[in-house]
Amino acid sequence: NAGVTQTPKFQVLKTGQSMTLQCAQDMNHNSMYWYRQDPGMGLRLIYYSASEGTTDKGEVPNGYNVSRLNKREFSLRLESAAPSQTSVYFCASSRTGLNQPQHFGDGTRLSIL
Amino acid sequence: QQPVQSPQAVILREGEDAVINCSSSKALYSVHWYRQKHGEAPVFLMILLKGGEQKGHEKISASFNEKKQQSSLYLTASQLSYSGTYFCGTALGDNNDMRFGAGTRLTVKP
Repeated sequence: NAGVTQTPKFQVLKTGQSMTLQCAQDMNHNSMYWYRQDPGMGLRLIYYSASEGTTDKGEVPNGYNVSRLNKREFSLRLESAAPSQTSVYFCASSRTGLNQPQHFGDGTRLSIL
Repeated sequence: QQPVQSPQAVILREGEDAVINCSSSKALYSVHWYRQKHGEAPVFLMILLKGGEQKGHEKISASFNEKKQQSSLYLTASQLSYSGTYFCGTALGDNNDMRFGAGTRLTVKP
């Protein structure tokens, strides 16, 4: 029972390079999320997908794109990485609705030089 | 729009109690509480809904005051395993757009 799986776990990029972070869940959840976590800032929502085929911007979407490939998979793409995007990225999933807990993956630690 | 948590950090001895507060300047639909240990993913503790009752999870409980737009997390008879950073997340509308506080770092010492 894997839950939410993120790949890769670590990545170092150079400024201007592109990168796709992968996320897959095996809990048959409709909703999926991408967050970034910076020291002292808590979790900030980048994009979310309430259901397959829909995506919406969160608090900090600039510089990112997402794709809800199917019900299981939700990817996050950095088209032209910038040092300000150095962070830990978490993917999460949940059942539909506000009263549902979010289940987080182990995170991707991304450094951009 | 992010909720404000207080205190930022707290140090306890085993067996002591603590309260963590989460407040918002906007009306809330729900409040989520999560705990994160260093280097790990956040783990769900509980959810409080507008108009809902106080929730409990082992010796950890929480309340939601809709008028004050505030939620409080109560940790009683703390254990070493309670150490970590606690985050509250708030939903401002009937969608999945969540805002998290900056976190409260809790350290429980023997």
